[in-house]
Amino acid sequence: GAVVSQHPSWVICKSGTSVKIECRSLDFQATTMFWYRQFPKQSLMLMATSNEGSKATYEQGVEKDKFLINHASLTLSTLTVTSAHPEDSSFYICSATGQGDTEAFFGQGTRLTVV
Amino acid sequence: KQEVTQIPAALSVPEGENLVLNCSFTDSAIYNLQWFRQDPGKGLTSLLLIQSSQREQTSGRLNASLDKSSGRSTLYIAASQPGDSATYLCAVGSGANSKLTFGKGITLSVRP
Repeated sequence: GAVVSQHPSWVICKSGTSVKIECRSLDFQATTMFWYRQFPKQSLMLMATSNEGSKATYEQGVEKDKFLINHASLTLSTLTVTSAHPEDSSFYICSATGQGDTEAFFGQGTRLTVV
Repeated sequence: KQEVTQIPAALSVPEGENLVLNCSFTDSAIYNLQWFRQDPGKGLTSLLLIQSSQREQTSGRLNASLDKSSGRSTLYIAASQPGDSATYLCAVGSGANSKLTFGKGITLSVRP
C-alpha cells in the first residue's frame, strides 16, 4: 500500500506555544488529506478535510483559527495547533487519498502533550 | 448522520481460535468500508477495503464481508495468533476522496 509519513511521532510543548505536525505522502500524490483526532478509547473524529491548493473544510465545532491546516503541495499537509492548551493534548492522525482513489492511507500519528 | 458501532469493545480469545468481529452502520448508502488495525500509540494500518458493490475481500487469514442492505460488516480472523492482538477499527466512506466515519474499535487480545 501507499505510504504516509507523519512527523513528529510525539511532542511535548508548553501552554501557549504553537506546534506544527507534518503529513507527507511518500509515493503518491495526495489530492485530499484528512486530519483526525483520537482521545483514549474513543473513535477517530474528523477535524478537517483539505484539498491541495484550497482552504481546508473544518468539521462543526473545530476552531479553524486554532487548528491551522495548510495543504500547499500534493505531498504535504501541515496542522498547526496554535496557542496550545492542556485540553488540546490528544493523538492526531492524518490520512491521504490520491486522485480518484477510494482507499485511505494513514500516518503513524502524533501524540501531543501540552503541559 | 452516519453512525458506526462495534460491539463488543473488547475481546479475549485463546490462540488458534477463529473469530468474527462485527461492525454495523446506520446509513446503508455507503461508498466503501475499510477495516484497520491499530497498535497501542500507533497509527492505522489498512487491512481490507470493500467497495459498496462488493460482498467480501480476503487477505491471508483475514476475510471481510459486507451486507449493505442490513448495514453490517464482519471481519473474520482465522487461526488467531498473539501477534493479532490490537484494536480493530471499522470505517465507512461516503464517497471517493471523502471522509471516513469510524467505530470505536474492538480491542482484541489473543492469549498464548
